[in-house]
Amino acid sequence: QQPVQSPQAVILREGEDAVINCSSSKALYSVHWYRQKHGEAPVFLMILLKGGEQKGHEKISASFNEKKQQSSLYLTASQLSYSGTYFCGTESDDKIIFGKGTRLHILP
Amino acid sequence: DSGVTQTPKHLITATGQRVTLRCSPRSGDLSVYWYQQSLDQGLQFLIQYYNGEERAKGNILERFSAQQFPDLHSELNLSSLELGDSALYFCASSSRDNSYEQYFGPGTRLTVT
Repeated sequence: QQPVQSPQAVILREGEDAVINCSSSKALYSVHWYRQKHGEAPVFLMILLKGGEQKGHEKISASFNEKKQQSSLYLTASQLSYSGTYFCGTESDDKIIFGKGTRLHILP
Repeated sequence: DSGVTQTPKHLITATGQRVTLRCSPRSGDLSVYWYQQSLDQGLQFLIQYYNGEERAKGNILERFSAQQFPDLHSELNLSSLELGDSALYFCASSSRDNSYEQYFGPGTRLTVT
C-alpha cells in the first residue's frame, strides 16, 4: 500500500519553513525520507524506527507517530539547496514502499 | 558519489527485446534494491536481495527478473519489452536490512521504441 504524501508541491521563499506529511494505512516498522534533485538519484535524509530511534545525516527533523501511522518532515529556515522532490518510504511486511513525492521549490 | 555503480547509463531498445541492467553495491553492503521511476509515479519498488537471497518483492512484472550473485552485484532482466517499460531504473544498496539507509546508484535510463 503506497503511502500518501501531502502536500503534492510547495513553493517557499528562502528562510521559510515547510512541513511534509506522510501517512499509511498499514502498521509501520519504520519511515524513511529521501530527497531527489532533478536528474539525480535520491539521497538519504532520515530513518525513523518504531520505538523512537532516529538515524539521520543532515540537520533536518522529523517525527513518527506509530499509532497514527504518520510521519512528518520539518524543514526550517529553508535554503535554496533544499529544493527537490521529497519521498517518504514506509516499511511494513519487510518492504519499503515510497510515496509519490512532494515537490519543494525554494525561491531566493 | 554514493559508491553504487550502475551500467549502462542509457539504453535504447525496441519493443519485444530483452535487456539486462547491472548494479554493483557499495563495498560491504549486503542488500540490493531495484526501483522503477516513471514520470509522476515516484519510486516503484521492484525487488530486494539480501546476501544472494530474494528478500522482498514489490510490483515487479513477471517479464522482469533479478538475481544477486556471490560477489553481491545484481542484475535486473527485462524481457518482452513494452513502450510502458521506458523509465529510469535505480539500484540502491544498504549495509544490512531495511533499518539502514539506502545508497542509490545514478540509474539506468531505458527507452523502449
